[in-house]
Amino acid sequence: AQSVAQPEDQVNVAEGNPLTVKCTYSVSGNPYLFWYVQYPNRGLQFLLKYITGDNLVKGSYGFEAEFNKSQTSFHLKKPSALVSDSALYFCAVRPISGGYQKVTFGIGTKLQVIP
Amino acid sequence: EAQVTQNPRYLITVTGKKLTVTCSQNMNHEYMSWYRQDPGLGLRQIYYSMNVEVTDKGDVPEGYKVSRKEKRNFPLILESPSPNQTSLYFCASSTSGRASYEQYFGPGTRLTVT
Repeated sequence: AQSVAQPEDQVNVAEGNPLTVKCTYSVSGNPYLFWYVQYPNRGLQFLLKYITGDNLVKGSYGFEAEFNKSQTSFHLKKPSALVSDSALYFCAVRPISGGYQKVTFGIGTKLQVIP
Repeated sequence: EAQVTQNPRYLITVTGKKLTVTCSQNMNHEYMSWYRQDPGLGLRQIYYSMNVEVTDKGDVPEGYKVSRKEKRNFPLILESPSPNQTSLYFCASSTSGRASYEQYFGPGTRLTVT
């Protein structure tokens, strides 16, 4: 069965400092990997994805993520955090092939950027 | 405007009273899905649909039904709601083409079953 682990319930970072939100996954075969963000009382918004190719992917709002196949990780990063980045972040995995197209999300990591 | 709409946004009901939450998308997406969000559990997939008349169970399908008779609509049906189905529900859609797959989410439906 596929799974996603986000080991930190909350990440606190000072404004202007780099941030990392961790994600590891387990899936049969190769994965599609995603990061989504949820602001209070809102639905989820797509941030970025890894499909194939370059292991470092760039997304919205200056975020990027690095796919590491050997460590089965897809950590979200940003060089300089903003207070407006404070939100709930979800990592998700979806199998590349096969008729089985279930999507699995992590439990989410709350990012708090401190002014 | 490309969007996923859900109705109602808020619903309070009683145990056993059948209800339907509607979901509609205007992006001609093949893939649609329902999730529930609960504190400490993240998002869990209830059902998904690869296309019209093609549906499959996600991780937590018990107590729910879905149908996909038209490409744009994917209603979630609770035949006999119970208090443990109190949750925040999201509908989402995506294409099934390669190099795509990111999902577009609706605004959510907050359901309370008493």
